[in-house]
Amino acid sequence: IAGITQAPTSQILAAGRRMTLRCTQDMRHNAMYWYRQDLGLGLRLIHYSNTAGTTGKGEVPDGYSVSRANTDDFPLTLASAVPSQTSVYFCASSDSATNTDTQYFGPGTRLTVL
Amino acid sequence: GQNIDQPTEMTATEGAIVQINCTYQTSGFNGLFWYQQHAGEAPTFLSYNVLDGLEEKGRFSSFLSRSKGYSYLLLKELQMKDSASYLCAALDSNYQLIWGAGTKLIIKP
Repeated sequence: IAGITQAPTSQILAAGRRMTLRCTQDMRHNAMYWYRQDLGLGLRLIHYSNTAGTTGKGEVPDGYSVSRANTDDFPLTLASAVPSQTSVYFCASSDSATNTDTQYFGPGTRLTVL
Repeated sequence: GQNIDQPTEMTATEGAIVQINCTYQTSGFNGLFWYQQHAGEAPTFLSYNVLDGLEEKGRFSSFLSRSKGYSYLLLKELQMKDSASYLCAALDSNYQLIWGAGTKLIIKP
């Protein structure tokens, strides 16, 4: 693989269910990010990780959790999904979180919560 | 608060030139990014400006005025494949990107 992969591509989920969105990068980037994109709004940062073993909260973290056990993987978990979490989720990575490095995006996961 | 403003939608003709404007207000400033996003796809990097002035990259150019909190993306010799959304994002003092809602560019033959 080259770049960032996300799985699943799309998912329909019943409210109240637990769901983990997967993200893997092979660029050895230190920083990784999770965004959600909703119609009419800019990308909003959910959680980020500056380096393996550390995570931080973004603009809209409620209802989501992340972990960063290693450099390559950054899964996003919805503990108990709600309809307002219906969105397109993008994972991104950059070489560093503390300078002007470009962020590179995965193909996205389209999630519908019913 | 932090805010990015850009037009919701623009229409242009194939072969023409179009300018997409972006104004920003952020806590500190470490540069301005432009990304292109085709429908149903991921955003892809176009340009980065941190100093005032124009940066040219083929058919695409990006301009920044830090004193005015203003940037624009200029697309020349428009092609049908340029139909996409163009996202403006400012890097704040914590090196977090603040994103605009995007400008949907429609190219007509």
